[in-house]
Amino acid sequence: LAKTTQPISMDSYEGQEVNITCSHNNIATNDYITWYQQFPSQGPRFIIQGYKTKVTNEVASLFIPADRKSSTLSLPRVSLSDTAVYYCLVGDNNNDMRFGAGTRLTVKP
Amino acid sequence: DVKVTQSSRYLVKRTGEKVFLECVQDMDHENMFWYRQDPGLGLRLIYFSYDVKMKEKGDIPEGYSVSREKKERFSLILESASTNQTSMYLCASSFRAAGLALRNEQFFGPGTRLTVL
Repeated sequence: LAKTTQPISMDSYEGQEVNITCSHNNIATNDYITWYQQFPSQGPRFIIQGYKTKVTNEVASLFIPADRKSSTLSLPRVSLSDTAVYYCLVGDNNNDMRFGAGTRLTVKP
Repeated sequence: DVKVTQSSRYLVKRTGEKVFLECVQDMDHENMFWYRQDPGLGLRLIYFSYDVKMKEKGDIPEGYSVSREKKERFSLILESASTNQTSMYLCASSFRAAGLALRNEQFFGPGTRLTVL
């Protein structure tokens, strides 16, 4: 079963920064935090992964506080094409990594 | 580019039929996965395989079986299809560097939308 809790949906407008928070109160020491993005009629696509503090790539940033009980995916200046479902997963190399229901982000013009 | 292909985008079968869903990846990945996706439930893991002829049950294996005879191919089998197996089926693959390396990036196929009448 998924070990994470995310909002079911979020709305935003073009050009805004979007932050999606994921709760994982029972995260284990060896667990990593991974985010995927899924567009309609496609399979999910890996966005970013981190263990602690902050990770940034060309698509997004991932903020992880010291206690690691939550994480925030940050999408800078979203566009209509960022409308998708975003999944947060936690797990390690030998442990369950499960997709939950995800967060449906709708970006409006 | 990693490519994961699935045998059909759309499939319609009748109750009681035996159904085969095929998945092929071209990146020499050790791990392969089968998920089903239903509205409001996200993706649920049916089975995964970390090597040829190896398989592990996921969260919802009942009514399904799998076969991995070659590294690049992972098949999902519905022995006797039922209407509650109508769903989108997604296959994925990933590298395995250490342990089962289940946290490694998974690459997904386009999905097969199966309808069981």
